[in-house]
Amino acid sequence: DADVTQTPRNRITKTGKRIMLECSQTKGHDRMYWYRQDPGLGLRLIYYSFDVKDINKGEISDGYSVSRQAQAKFSLSLESAIPNQTALYFCATSDASGSYEQYFGPGTRLTVT
Amino acid sequence: RKEVEQDPGPFNVPEGATVAFNCTYSNSASQSFFWYRQDCRKEPKLLMSVYSSGNEDGRFTAQLNRASQYISLLIRDSKLSDSATYLCVVSFNDYKLSFGAGTTVTVRA
Repeated sequence: DADVTQTPRNRITKTGKRIMLECSQTKGHDRMYWYRQDPGLGLRLIYYSFDVKDINKGEISDGYSVSRQAQAKFSLSLESAIPNQTALYFCATSDASGSYEQYFGPGTRLTVT
Repeated sequence: RKEVEQDPGPFNVPEGATVAFNCTYSNSASQSFFWYRQDCRKEPKLLMSVYSSGNEDGRFTAQLNRASQYISLLIRDSKLSDSATYLCVVSFNDYKLSFGAGTTVTVRA
């Protein structure tokens, strides 16, 4: 089984709808991240969390919110989706030991029409 | 200016060839450097870290030039399975990674 899973894998939604993307991990890592990837751009950090009580904005947090329900679960919400939020979204985890490696989930392809 | 810039390619090479490409980074305080590999819009995976003295991992060689702020990746004896997008990644702390947009390599039979 995959260490980092994301649901749904694909989603098409309409402008103005609320949508939640979910991420679960079995790696036992404390740190979790949400990124988006757009063609021609590098992955950009939306939010990150160092533990259940810690939430931090990344470089492009406007229009998004997150919830860290447990060490293993980190969800991303779009309160009112807009077309320019169409992108590939990745969840990632890392441990807190100073290792820089991040482990990514398989991604969620989101289309907002 | 983007924090990490890469030539998007594509680099089309025959099997067995050597291919090399660079990326540049803008933050002189960057401390850690990596190459990640991404297959066809799947998740990125760490290929290798890049050390100041340069390092090899099998057919892959990475170099770092801090003075000029660039990182390179060289792939020797290319295989079909090396076809992928290679993401240059830099960091100045242990959690915030800055990603380049990627360099696409296509190895043909």
